[in-house]
Order: sequence, then C-alpha cells, then structure tokens
Amino acid sequence: DTAVSQTPKYLVTQMGNDKSIKCEQNLGHDTMYWYKQDSKKFLKIMFSYNNKELIINETVPNRFSPKSPDKAHLNLHINSLELGDSAVYFCASSSRTEAFFGQGTRLTVV
Amino acid sequence: LAKTTQPISMDSYEGQEVNITCSHNNIATNDYITWYQQFPSQGPRFIIQGYKTKVTNEVASLFIPADRKSSTLSLPRVSLSDTAVYYCLVDRNYGGSQGNLIFGKGTKLSVKP
Repeated sequence: DTAVSQTPKYLVTQMGNDKSIKCEQNLGHDTMYWYKQDSKKFLKIMFSYNNKELIINETVPNRFSPKSPDKAHLNLHINSLELGDSAVYFCASSSRTEAFFGQGTRLTVV
Repeated sequence: LAKTTQPISMDSYEGQEVNITCSHNNIATNDYITWYQQFPSQGPRFIIQGYKTKVTNEVASLFIPADRKSSTLSLPRVSLSDTAVYYCLVDRNYGGSQGNLIFGKGTKLSVKP
C-alpha cells in the first residue's frame, strides 16, 4: 500500500483553467503538507495542516486553495492557472519523527 | 526556525565515504536535526535524525558535536545510486509534526564511477 498517494501524476492544462490535485495518506498522521518544486529544484512549502487546521500558509497566490475534508486527505485546488504555476507539486504527511512524501504531480501549464 | 547552511554541491567516486556538513549556528535547545534524500523525479525521503553525539542506521551516520552548531551526514562507501540531493533540517517539532517542515536548498551529491 502506498503511504502517501497523489493523483494525478501528470497534469497538462491550458492557462486560465481550474484544476485539482488530490492527496491521501494512510499512515494515520495528523500533519499534512503541500510543496512546490520548480525548475530550479527549490522545494518550497506552500501549506501545512495539523488535524485539519491550517498551520502554515506561505506567500502563495489566492488562486491556490487547500482543502482538508478529513485528516487523511489534503487536496490542492488551483484557479486560473498561469504559466508560472508549472512545477512539481508534492504532498507529504508527518509523524513526530519523519515525513513521508508522495510521488509528486508534474503540472504543466501551456 | 534555525537556518541551515550546506554546500550546494559535492562530487565523489564510488566506494568512497562522503561527509556532508550542515551549519546551524542558532539551533535551539529543543531542536532536532533531520536529513532527507531526494532522487530526481521523487519526493524527499527521510534518512536519519538526531539530537546529539552520534546516530547510526543502515543507511547513514549522523555526527553532532557537543555545541550542536553543526552536523555531519556520513554516507559509507557510496554508489552511483546515492546520487541525489541531501537536505538538512533543524526543527523543534521533531520531523515537523506541527507543520514546520521547511527545506533549504540542499546539497547535490554526484557520485561518479
């Protein structure tokens, strides 16, 4: 069983569209995250949730909105996609000692 | 959160021991040191975590001096498959259980045959 799973793995879409990336963890962790890794490979935290409550909301455009329906899920919805949103998006969850990452979603905006 | 400084890149050859040092001068008493490894096209993976002295597991060793202002990740006898980016994180909430899992730029290790 995959500990942290993201769907889809690849996403190609046109500018202006709205898209969602889903994330699920089966580890029973209380904390979940979304990261963006751009072409320069810098892994930047976007959001973190602890027990479904927003903990960190870094300087991210309002077009990005996380949704946590329950502790096992943290979905990322993106409105009005722009070229600069092209990147790999990682979901993660953590225990008290370590974090587990999903395989990433490569988003390409054309 | 304590800021960390690592070399941007390192080169090594197969079979050598590689030591990557991370500086964290303003580490707090309650902070732990954690290292992650990231292969191309994959998410980071936990390697090792420590608070002081030495920690060893099947993958690596972590050396932390008494003042804890730096730490060294040691990879014994590296192989080509150890080519990856290695991140040092310092956080008082262990592995980030309170949502503060902040990554720096990491060290890109290239292992050559």
